[in-house]
Amino acid sequence: GAGVSQSPRYKVAKRGQDVALRCDPISGHVSLFWYQQALGQGPEFLTYFQNEAQLDKSGLPSDRFFAERPEGSVSTLKIQRTQQEDSAVYLCASSPSGDARLAEKYEQYFGPGTRLTVT
Amino acid sequence: AQSVTQLDSHVSVSEGTPVLLRCNYSSSYSPSLFWYVQHPNKGLQLLLKYTSAATLVKGINGFEAEFKKSETSFHLTKPSAHMSDAAEYFCAVSAFTGGGNKLTFGTGTQLKVEL
Repeated sequence: GAGVSQSPRYKVAKRGQDVALRCDPISGHVSLFWYQQALGQGPEFLTYFQNEAQLDKSGLPSDRFFAERPEGSVSTLKIQRTQQEDSAVYLCASSPSGDARLAEKYEQYFGPGTRLTVT
Repeated sequence: AQSVTQLDSHVSVSEGTPVLLRCNYSSSYSPSLFWYVQHPNKGLQLLLKYTSAATLVKGINGFEAEFKKSETSFHLTKPSAHMSDAAEYFCAVSAFTGGGNKLTFGTGTQLKVEL
């Protein structure tokens, strides 16, 4: 079946522009995560949704970053007034579990990422 | 707080020889640990995971890892490297976050396989 998809795959933005990155999780997956992967680094957690509820946004680096998942499926990560330090690959992952007791036992399925370059 | 340290940023092996990628973790409670592989321009793929069951975990493509609590380690091994194993490998530990399980990743180990 279809995996996690992300669009666009590549985005070039001029400094100061707003961007929107889309994630289509695997159908029926309750949990959705966003990660940021800077060049040469491991992914870093940004935010987590359980259905439409954003339960953790502790990793968002500034108030320029905003994420939503209004109907509990597709999610959008929006970055306002982009800066050069926002250049990174943004990864989305989904997982079938929304049960805290079982969450750790379920794999997170990752999309291919969106490579954002801010010039 | 959870963290993982990948001790080698680059590992080079010859095809057919063993692979060892090292990972040490820090966790305030019993951790769940994962190894992911990332091929160029591809998403992360789970190789294997440890979730408090057997300490020796077998994964896909012949990889395995052993959880050693006394050494706080979760090293990834494979008996015989194949050219297709060349990729970046990430060790990760999970932590609960309001019901979910966010992953904290290491900085990655680039595996090169030579003929």
